[in-house]
Amino acid sequence: EDKVVQSPLSLVVHEGDTVTLNCSYEVTNFRSLLWYKQEKKAPTFLFMLTSSGIEKKSGRLSSILDKKELSSILNITATQTGDSAIYLCAVVGGTSYGKLTFGQGTILTVHP
Amino acid sequence: ETGVTQTPRHLVMGMTNKKSLKCEQHLGHNAMYWYKQSAKKPLELMFVYNFKEQTENNSVPSRFSPECPNSSHLFLHLHTLQPEDSALYLCASSPSGGYQETQYFGPGTRLLVL
Repeated sequence: EDKVVQSPLSLVVHEGDTVTLNCSYEVTNFRSLLWYKQEKKAPTFLFMLTSSGIEKKSGRLSSILDKKELSSILNITATQTGDSAIYLCAVVGGTSYGKLTFGQGTILTVHP
Repeated sequence: ETGVTQTPRHLVMGMTNKKSLKCEQHLGHNAMYWYKQSAKKPLELMFVYNFKEQTENNSVPSRFSPECPNSSHLFLHLHTLQPEDSALYLCASSPSGGYQETQYFGPGTRLLVL
């Protein structure tokens, strides 16, 4: 069974800090890894990482996939209070089209 | 309206009630999904529909019954639910259910079963 573990489960920082969120996975036939941000209800897409695209960057957010270590990190630099959210990691693998397996999420709280 | 919409946004029902959740996507996608998000548990896939055909049922109890009349609409019919079914139910869509597609989520329906 596919498995995704995120750490830490929660994190409290102050504005301006840099944070690193971790995601490790066990999946048969890895296809892709996705990061989402969930603020109130709907998770919103951040990045997709695949074998052909192991590093992504958008503004203060960046993510790297380490296929050897079966893990990924999400970095947020110069954090702002608006970054407070649950960050979800999900993987697609195996033979089931479109089946995302999610981790528990990391709750990030950024204080002013 | 754009993206993925869900109605109702909040629902309270008794264990003997029958209700339905509705999801509509305006993205021209052909794959739609139901997820359940319970407190302190990972998002859990329930059902996948691809071109109106159900392609995944993740061992969901029969008291949850999905329906996909066309590629833009997805329903989740609920009957004789249990209090432990209280959760946030999220709908998502993607272009064609492929391995390397992004799934776009709706705002969810917060369900409370009394």
